[in-house]
Amino acid sequence: AQTVTQSQPEMSVQEAETVTLSCTYDTSENNYYLFWYKQPPSRQMILVIRQEAYKQQNATENRFSVNFQKAAKSFSLKISDSQLGDTAMYFCAFMKYEGDDKIIFGKGTRLHILP
Amino acid sequence: GAVVSQHPSWVICKSGTSVKIECRSLDFQATTMFWYRQFPKQSLMLMATSNEGSKATYEQGVEKDKFLINHASLTLSTLTVTSAHPEDSSFYICSARETGAWETQYFGPGTRLLVL
Repeated sequence: AQTVTQSQPEMSVQEAETVTLSCTYDTSENNYYLFWYKQPPSRQMILVIRQEAYKQQNATENRFSVNFQKAAKSFSLKISDSQLGDTAMYFCAFMKYEGDDKIIFGKGTRLHILP
Repeated sequence: GAVVSQHPSWVICKSGTSVKIECRSLDFQATTMFWYRQFPKQSLMLMATSNEGSKATYEQGVEKDKFLINHASLTLSTLTVTSAHPEDSSFYICSARETGAWETQYFGPGTRLLVL
């Protein structure tokens, strides 16, 4: 069975700083997807970034980038130039590379951006 | 982008009554929808996978007779909490997977249920 572990329950950083959220996972699959989702106080789940395991290049989306280390089964999220609107719960998630499979979420990291 | 709606956004009901929550994909067809439950300050817990035109697949520990799921069309799935009790109070979230684009799920805004 797949598992996703987020070891940082809560983090705080000053606005404009860079912050890295950690995530490790366990799987015997070779092909899969990894995701970072953001859940702000509104509780709407928002996809931040997605990484296909077969791609060596790390995914980036504007201020958000990942450090994907497949051998180490590590998938960290870096937020550059953090903004107050980045305050949210962040979930790391895993999905097998099959059409009907489900997303497995980590327990989340609550991120506070301080003014 | 793809939009998923949920109705109602919040509901308060008396213990013993049934509550129906709707999940709609507004601008795409969704063969598969998922229902999650989220307790305060916790992660999303998958309750069941709903496939259009077939029976839902429930996760271990989820009572299928209590949480009835119907996915009668490619744009609508419903979750009915039968004979609700206070312990069923929670935040329920659905997500929809676009037909033919299975790698992305779009999430609804959630429904807050309070059972008195």
